[in-house]
Amino acid sequence: KAGVTQTPRYLIKTRGQQVTLSCSPISGHRSVSWYQQTPGQGLQFLFEYFSETQRNKGNFPGRFSGRQFSNSRSEMNVSTLELGDSALYLCASSSGNSGGSDTQYFGPGTRLTVL
Amino acid sequence: DQQVKQNSPSLSVQEGRISILNCDYTNSMFDYFLWYKKYPAEGPTFLISISSIKDKNEDGRFTVFLNKSAKHLSLHIVPSQPGDSAVYFCAAHGYNNNDMRFGAGTRLTVKP
Repeated sequence: KAGVTQTPRYLIKTRGQQVTLSCSPISGHRSVSWYQQTPGQGLQFLFEYFSETQRNKGNFPGRFSGRQFSNSRSEMNVSTLELGDSALYLCASSSGNSGGSDTQYFGPGTRLTVL
Repeated sequence: DQQVKQNSPSLSVQEGRISILNCDYTNSMFDYFLWYKKYPAEGPTFLISISSIKDKNEDGRFTVFLNKSAKHLSLHIVPSQPGDSAVYFCAAHGYNNNDMRFGAGTRLTVKP
């Protein structure tokens, strides 16, 4: 079974630009979650999509948005980039079913650098 | 708000000794607790989990202990090996599974 894939792996943008990151979950997984990892901050939850609907959202500004397609692939968009947006963006997929331990499987991440 | 906290940013132990990684949480609605391990340039990988109805779960060299009254869990690695050197994240979620929260991570270094 193929793992979670994220594209691109590395990205360099300048302030004010916008960026779109892509995530393909494990086959059969319906939930995709996005996280931002910065040094010392751990994984900060951005949002989670399940069956093309945003189910949960973290405390990030509206510049961060996402969507999920019918094949469960997900994209994350950041508009009007700021220097502080430089981070590793991780995507994780899981079954998304309620009522049990739902292990998330992570992709390798997209390293975004904002200059 | 930081619902899951790992107060030790780093830990160094000697090979063969025990590594104890700690995690505290504030949300009493969390039902499941997980530990992930992360190497540089890779995404976190699942290590071990525990349900809130248990107080201990063991998998080989890894044991997770849960103290619900103290809202505290710990990961024990015995014996520690140099290959265990990585950043360990504690995570927790509730019944609906759509609210996973992670701690800031603890960097474990196991010295040969």
